[in-house]
Amino acid sequence: DSGVTQTPKHLITATGQRVTLRCSPRSGDLSVYWYQQSLDQGLQFLIQYYNGEERAKGNILERFSAQQFPDLHSELNLSSLELGDSALYFCASSVGAGWSTGELFFGEGSRLTVL
Amino acid sequence: AQTVTQSQPEMSVQEAETVTLSCTYDTSESNYYLFWYKQPPSRQMILVIRQEAYKQQNATENRFSVNFQKAAKSFSLKISDSQLGDTAMYFCALGGNAGNMLTFGGGTRLMVKP
Repeated sequence: DSGVTQTPKHLITATGQRVTLRCSPRSGDLSVYWYQQSLDQGLQFLIQYYNGEERAKGNILERFSAQQFPDLHSELNLSSLELGDSALYFCASSVGAGWSTGELFFGEGSRLTVL
Repeated sequence: AQTVTQSQPEMSVQEAETVTLSCTYDTSESNYYLFWYKQPPSRQMILVIRQEAYKQQNATENRFSVNFQKAAKSFSLKISDSQLGDTAMYFCALGGNAGNMLTFGGGTRLMVKP
């Protein structure tokens, strides 16, 4: 158990809908990262938050948004869903924002299926 | 831009034998970190081993070791005494100085056969 909690584990929804994925980082970790794992794109970095503020942005679509709350949990919002958004969404956390602080700890992921 | 390439989509090995997974990468940064992550059927990403680019000595973690060739931008993973529990997808990942953002390779599916 990595200590990173993601909910829901599975989610099935229809095209055009909006969903929210939730992540609770390990106790003491200030950074949260979101990754998307799909069959055709592999694992792609979406976005990082550090202590409530956006730190780095990757290939995140405009239909997607994220935030990190004062209690450090994070939510990834996916809207106007398309079939291609079906993927495994990982959350990871780390103590700080830089490499000197160590590895990333991944949650078990949220499997999103868009029908 | 950073890239990571794993040229072996699938590999298999007999239990107790040794297998090497290949990874090449490209980055313009002078300092960076390389990782191997394991993703078993449970799908959780588990760190296997990490290597800091400024360290010349190859990292080792029990049965797992790396061959880090900085000039060739190569970072292979050797698994010794393979066990059935090693069956998983293995991802090579590169992290640059900007932060903890990782660039992943496409993965190698490893099957350990009894």
